[in-house]
Amino acid sequence: AQSVSQHNHHVILSEAASLELGCNYSYGGTVNLFWYVQYPGQHLQLLLKYFSGDPLVKGIKGFEAEFIKSKFSFNLRKPSVQWSDTAEYFCAVVPARSFQKLVFGTGTRLLVSP
Amino acid sequence: SAVISQKPSRDICQRGTSLTIQCQVDSQVTMMFWYRQQPGQSLTLIATANQGSEATYESGFVIDKFPISRPNLTFSTLTVSNMSPEDSSIYLCSVGTDGYTFGSGTRLTVV
Repeated sequence: AQSVSQHNHHVILSEAASLELGCNYSYGGTVNLFWYVQYPGQHLQLLLKYFSGDPLVKGIKGFEAEFIKSKFSFNLRKPSVQWSDTAEYFCAVVPARSFQKLVFGTGTRLLVSP
Repeated sequence: SAVISQKPSRDICQRGTSLTIQCQVDSQVTMMFWYRQQPGQSLTLIATANQGSEATYESGFVIDKFPISRPNLTFSTLTVSNMSPEDSSIYLCSVGTDGYTFGSGTRLTVV
């Protein structure tokens, strides 16, 4: 069964700092990968997804993620964070083309100070 | 991507009672998923609901506590039965289409 590890549980940054959140997955086959964001008091929103093709995926709000197959990683990046990026970020994985359940990481809570 | 309408958005319930959460999808989907997000934690799958068959429950979740209905390809309900304060969580439905869309969630508080 697949699993996901998010190494950073809490991250604190100042505005304009660069962000990189780690995500590693465990699964022997081809996968689809996702990053979701949950703003305080709000529901889960899809930031970006990787199915196939270009391993550098661009999402909403200036976020991007790079799929590195050899490292089983899908790290989330943003060159310059804003106070409004304060939220919890979840990485998730599912076997490709399976429409099985998503398996989520434990989440990373990001606090951006103004 | 599919659009999901989930209701209620929140509720405060007395212990020992039950609450039924509804999810309506704007397109036909084969599989629907029900997740729970306990305070400060990640999402945990409760069960997978396929139309026309019994739901498949994950370890630690049982049908008597979380009965699920899936009467057609666009609708599903999850009931949280005989609630206790430990059931206070956000409950979300999801469909396994492009992007795995989630409903807006039901924030349940049991007092």
